[in-house]
Amino acid sequence: GQQLNQSPQSMFIQEGEDVSMNCTSSSIFNTWLWYKQDPGEGPVLLIALYKAGELTSNGRLTAQFGITRKDSFLNISASIPSDVGIYFCAGQLVGRGSTLGRLYFGRGTQLTVWP
Amino acid sequence: DAGVIQSPRHEVTEMGQEVTLRCKPISGHDYLFWYRQTMMRGLELLIYFNNNVPIDDSGMPEDRFSAKMPNASFSTLKIQPSEPRDSAVYFCASSRQGVNEKLFFGSGTQLSVL
Repeated sequence: GQQLNQSPQSMFIQEGEDVSMNCTSSSIFNTWLWYKQDPGEGPVLLIALYKAGELTSNGRLTAQFGITRKDSFLNISASIPSDVGIYFCAGQLVGRGSTLGRLYFGRGTQLTVWP
Repeated sequence: DAGVIQSPRHEVTEMGQEVTLRCKPISGHDYLFWYRQTMMRGLELLIYFNNNVPIDDSGMPEDRFSAKMPNASFSTLKIQPSEPRDSAVYFCASSRQGVNEKLFFGSGTQLSVL
């Protein structure tokens, strides 16, 4: 299957600090998404990106669709304790057949925020 | 609106037993997905349906796994017989109009096979 390389694997930061994580792939994606998963829950969509170079914000979150269409990053500014969780990138492949529309997920970034 | 509803939330069973996980997608969504999450492999797509028809089951680990979607509001994932290595969190997700990047996930079923 497709590999999405997400980094870092984990982050330990202090409240108020900014956070940056990224995702890269060897394949071209036509959509990039970022999800957050709280303990004991399913992932929840944070931001969706549809065009190369697109920069989108959602409150303190900002994400960008890389120009090469093979990468994306997510920034969180002024982190707060409730930002704790696992953040996943996901990409949708360009292509035909049964893989059309499939999402491929990164392994996640575990974020811990110290008060 | 009710989200994707999964049951049970937790399942503990013994090796060899049959396990059935259930999912009710969001009303109006015509895509339904089953994912498995483990520490070792992350989130894996097992199978997905469009309009109740299985489209891609290439992620189903082996014949012990089967999934059905008898109607637009219900799907099951069955494991028979279960094995300890099946222990994981199983998520159901749904989307509408084929724009499946906007997946809405259920809260998952934590399966433990002893």
